[in-house]
Amino acid sequence: TQLLEQSPQFLSIQEGENLTVYCNSSSVFSSLQWYRQEPGEGPVLLVTVVTGGEVKKLKRLTFQFGDARKDSSLHITAAQPGDTGLYLCAGEAGSEKLVFGKGTKLTVNP
Amino acid sequence: NAGVTQTPKFQVLKTGQSMTLQCAQDMNHEYMSWYRQDPGMGLRLIHYSVGAGITDQGEVPNGYNVSRSTTEDFPLRLLSAAPSQTSVYFCASSYGRGPGDEQFFGPGTRLTVL
Repeated sequence: TQLLEQSPQFLSIQEGENLTVYCNSSSVFSSLQWYRQEPGEGPVLLVTVVTGGEVKKLKRLTFQFGDARKDSSLHITAAQPGDTGLYLCAGEAGSEKLVFGKGTKLTVNP
Repeated sequence: NAGVTQTPKFQVLKTGQSMTLQCAQDMNHEYMSWYRQDPGMGLRLIHYSVGAGITDQGEVPNGYNVSRSTTEDFPLRLLSAAPSQTSVYFCASSYGRGPGDEQFFGPGTRLTVL
């Protein structure tokens, strides 16, 4: 069973601060996705990374896939209250199933 | 496009009752799946389908049944509800299961079993 460990579990910061969220596994994944979920709603895809060492940027969000394709990180620059939500990573290991981490709950205070 | 729709949005059941959670998508996606989300547990896969007439078990299938008679619909049946099935249930669909395929999630059904 592939497991994805996310850290930290909770993160509360002030508007304007930078933060990094981690997603780690002992398994190799063919791709890894990051989702954001707001209260009362389903997760929404932010990005998919496929190649080891890949870096993708989405405005103030930077996503990186580890060289060995076992880990990933999400860095947010100058966080805003609108970034508040649950951030989930999900990995695909070629079994037609996505494995989700438990999520990082981010609160950005104005 | 409505995307992925789920009904009902909220449901309260008594132990032993049965019910069906409905899920429909209008994007002609082949792949559909059901997840449950519990505090501190993330999303766990219950059942999934790679096309009409084809279903398979996920990580936590016990107590749930599914069928896929059409591309659009993928209902989840609880045969005899138990308090351990209190959770938020999400249905998702995607065009395929390739690395670039985005899963689109419904808004969820919040189920409480007393």
